[in-house]
Amino acid sequence: GAVVSQHPSWVICKSGTSVKIECRSLDFQATTMFWYRQFPKQSLMLMATSNEGSKATYEQGVEKDKFLINHASLTLSTLTVTSAHPEDSSFYICSARIPTGTSNSYEQYFGPGTRLTVT
Amino acid sequence: AQKVTQVQTEISVVEKEDVTLDCVYETRDTTYYLFWYKQPPSGELVFLIRRNSFDEQNEISGRYSWNFQKSTSSFNFTITASQVVDSAVYFCALNVWNMRFGAGTRLTVKP
Repeated sequence: GAVVSQHPSWVICKSGTSVKIECRSLDFQATTMFWYRQFPKQSLMLMATSNEGSKATYEQGVEKDKFLINHASLTLSTLTVTSAHPEDSSFYICSARIPTGTSNSYEQYFGPGTRLTVT
Repeated sequence: AQKVTQVQTEISVVEKEDVTLDCVYETRDTTYYLFWYKQPPSGELVFLIRRNSFDEQNEISGRYSWNFQKSTSSFNFTITASQVVDSAVYFCALNVWNMRFGAGTRLTVKP
């Protein structure tokens, strides 16, 4: 079946540095990818929706200049956390959506997540 | 606006008990999808079921069953004869254009 991978699976970085997380769809082309953030013991919160070749759409309250999303190809989306701070420490999960072929129907697959710790 | 409410924050049961996790959703769209996911401590989401808004048939898969009722906007999940391996956080989600998750229910099954 369809698989979404994320790299790295975990990362520790120092405050003030930037870190990039990659999300790849392995068996299919995803025109739309989503990025979620999950703080400990909380739910997944949608951060942004990215469409291949266009600018990402950010949810209210998510700083687009801090969380840079690039979806340059149909199989790769990247999330860069710029000037990371300890409060950015979280579990970041990407998701890819593919149409199933029938009208308005699609599947959404989730990556395994990336655990970011900012010290 | 889309909203998902999971009534129980935490549930603790003893092995072999049946347990039901409640989920209530809100949307003005007539076409939507409902999901249940399991999230074990590793963090990776495990897909359990998807239902579209036009299919109200209940479903059973082994010890798992789901009850979808549009009249009450509910999509409840029941685990029969629970096992310790069922311990996890379970999320109900609503997908219209994008996936919105409920707050999650932490299920602990004690031996």
